[in-house]
Amino acid sequence: GESVGLHLPTLSVQEGDNSIINCAYSNSASDYFIWYKQESGKGPQFIIDIRSNMDKRQGQRVTVLLNKTVKHLSLQIAATQPGDSAVYFCAEKRSDMRFGAGTRLTVKP
Amino acid sequence: ETGVTQSPTHLIKTRGQQVTLRCSSQSGHNTVSWYQQALGQGPQFIFQYYREEENGRGNFPPRFSGLQFPNYSSELNVNALELDDSALYLCASSLPGQNTEAFFGQGTRLTVV
Repeated sequence: GESVGLHLPTLSVQEGDNSIINCAYSNSASDYFIWYKQESGKGPQFIIDIRSNMDKRQGQRVTVLLNKTVKHLSLQIAATQPGDSAVYFCAEKRSDMRFGAGTRLTVKP
Repeated sequence: ETGVTQSPTHLIKTRGQQVTLRCSSQSGHNTVSWYQQALGQGPQFIFQYYREEENGRGNFPPRFSGLQFPNYSSELNVNALELDDSALYLCASSLPGQNTEAFFGQGTRLTVV
């Protein structure tokens, strides 16, 4: 069935290192994806999006890569900081959004 | 700050009761979607409203209903509350269409006892 899923439920990195969070999707017709960051007790915060006519998009310290051949997304965070500790979701947006379970990123000082 | 506000932030209800949650969308956004997020899981789509009409629904029973008002604000109503309805309820606003950014409010934490 259609789904958006994440490879790893948890990720722990050292402060200053780069983080990579992965996501797989199964609907090859999907053409718009969003990464969200969710801190404890808060709503998801928009980080970056990418459309299927692109394979890479960069923001401030973040880069999203889209590989349509293997239906895979990744979020790269450069120079990870303690404030980056949160749960990260990828979402496949059609008229609604479909989320995976999320990856919890922990940044060690 | 996304400009999407939800009220109340926390709520405790008894099983069998009814609840109404409210959402004000970001300025200019005429599409509002509601999501239920159980602890440790990703948000699950409940339904979406566009121009005051329901415009898509997820796998939730009819006791979950909603409204959208002319100013694009929205309500989520849940009747006959069950213990499993305890969750964070999220509202997201966007412009219509598939490839448009969606921004979330901070959510309403509902606890059913």
